[in-house]
Amino acid sequence: NAGVTQTPKFQVLKTGQSMTLQCAQDMNHEYMSWYRQDPGMGLRLIHYSVGAGITDQGEVPNGYNVSRSTTEDFPLRLLSAAPSQTSVYFCASSGTPNTEAFFGQGTRLTVV
Amino acid sequence: AQKITQTQPGMFVQEKEAVTLDCTYDTSDPSYGLFWYKQPSSGEMIFLIYQGSYDQQNATEGRYSLNFQKARKSANLVISASQLGDSAMYFCAMREGQGGSYIPTFGRGTSLIVHP
Repeated sequence: NAGVTQTPKFQVLKTGQSMTLQCAQDMNHEYMSWYRQDPGMGLRLIHYSVGAGITDQGEVPNGYNVSRSTTEDFPLRLLSAAPSQTSVYFCASSGTPNTEAFFGQGTRLTVV
Repeated sequence: AQKITQTQPGMFVQEKEAVTLDCTYDTSDPSYGLFWYKQPSSGEMIFLIYQGSYDQQNATEGRYSLNFQKARKSANLVISASQLGDSAMYFCAMREGQGGSYIPTFGRGTSLIVHP
C-alpha cells in the first residue's frame, strides 16, 4: 500500500520558471491538501480539495494553482517561481475529517 | 489570529520522565477535531493522537495522551516515560467542521529534545 506519493523529492528552480509538484494517493480519500513548511512557521495550508472537481484556497494560495480531476491525483502548480517559494512542500490526504491525515514524504524546493 | 498556538518553541526532558507539550486553540465551531503529529529529523509527518470535540474522555495511544480541557480550549500532549527516539518536532493541529474546511490547521510546533 503506497499511501501518499509525492514527486519529486528535491527540486531546484530558477526564478520565473514553472513546475508541477505531483501528489497521488491510493486510499480513495476524498480530502487532499497541500502545505508548505518554513522554519518557525509550522505547516501552512496552500490549497485543498474535498473531492474530485472541488478545490479551494488555504492560508497562502498566491503563486500556486491546483486541480483535482480524479480522486487519486492532486497536483500543485507553481506558475512563476519566486525565491519566497523556497520551502518544503507536503501533500496530505484523509478519508474523513475525523481521521488522521496521511502525508507524503515532502518535496524540498529551492528557487534561486 | 492564530487558530492553533504552541507557546513552547523548545522543550527539554530527561529520558524516562514525562513531558507536557502545550497547545491552545481558537474556534467558535461546536464540531472540531484536534490532532498531534510528530516530525523527526528525517522529515516525515507521523500521526500520534486524535481528540474530537464531543469526546467525553481524553484520548490515549500508548505512551501518548491528550489532556483535553474544552472550556480552556486546551489540548496538551502528554508523553509518559520519554525515550531518546521521542526527540522531534511536535505539531498540534485542528480541523473545524461545519464552519470550516475540514482540513487541519497547524501550529508552529514545539521542538522536544530528550536527554539520556
